[in-house]
Amino acid sequence: EDQVTQSPEALRLQEGESSSLNCSYTVSGLRGLFWYRQDPGKGPEFLFTLYSAGEEKEKERLKATLTKKESFLHITAPKPEDSATYLCAVQALNNTDKLIFGTGTRLQVFP
Amino acid sequence: KAGVTQTPRYLIKTRGQQVTLSCSPISGHRSVSWYQQTPGQGLQFLFEYFSETQRNKGNFPGRFSGRQFSNSRSEMNVSTLELGDSALYLCASSGGAGGSYNEQFFGPGTRLTVL
Repeated sequence: EDQVTQSPEALRLQEGESSSLNCSYTVSGLRGLFWYRQDPGKGPEFLFTLYSAGEEKEKERLKATLTKKESFLHITAPKPEDSATYLCAVQALNNTDKLIFGTGTRLQVFP
Repeated sequence: KAGVTQTPRYLIKTRGQQVTLSCSPISGHRSVSWYQQTPGQGLQFLFEYFSETQRNKGNFPGRFSGRQFSNSRSEMNVSTLELGDSALYLCASSGGAGGSYNEQFFGPGTRLTVL
């Protein structure tokens, strides 16, 4: 069964304290792995898509990497405005757009 | 370019009633997917439509249904509402043709409360 597990569930960081979020996945043929950011009461905001092991993408203080079993979202020198829930999702090679989500990591960055 | 829009943003219904939610995808996108988000279950896939055809369906009871129109706008309907249907209902659109076109962009959601 296709499955996504994210860790940790919650993470508290001091401003400037770099860290990584983990997303482990099991899927019958990976079409893509997606990272989203979600603020309370809002829809998920698209961050990255990774398609193959070894791929990396960056956006401001965020960098996503992908292996055959997991993905990491590295946050460098975070700021309070980076506080949000970060969601990971996978899409399988079955000709549909269905996303299978993890339960997310709730990040809080304190000044 | 306008994003995904969902209406209404908030709804309060009572048990046994039915509700219809609407989603307008990003212009040019042909695929629309619906998800239910609750604190206990997270984001769960409901169904996906592409060119007016249901392409995939999640594990939800038949009370949950949807459709897509020729202009790619989509509606979902929940009949005989139960307390457990209270959730944030999210719509996502994509180009639907694979490659970078499978990147999904979400709307702001409809917050449904069932009393």
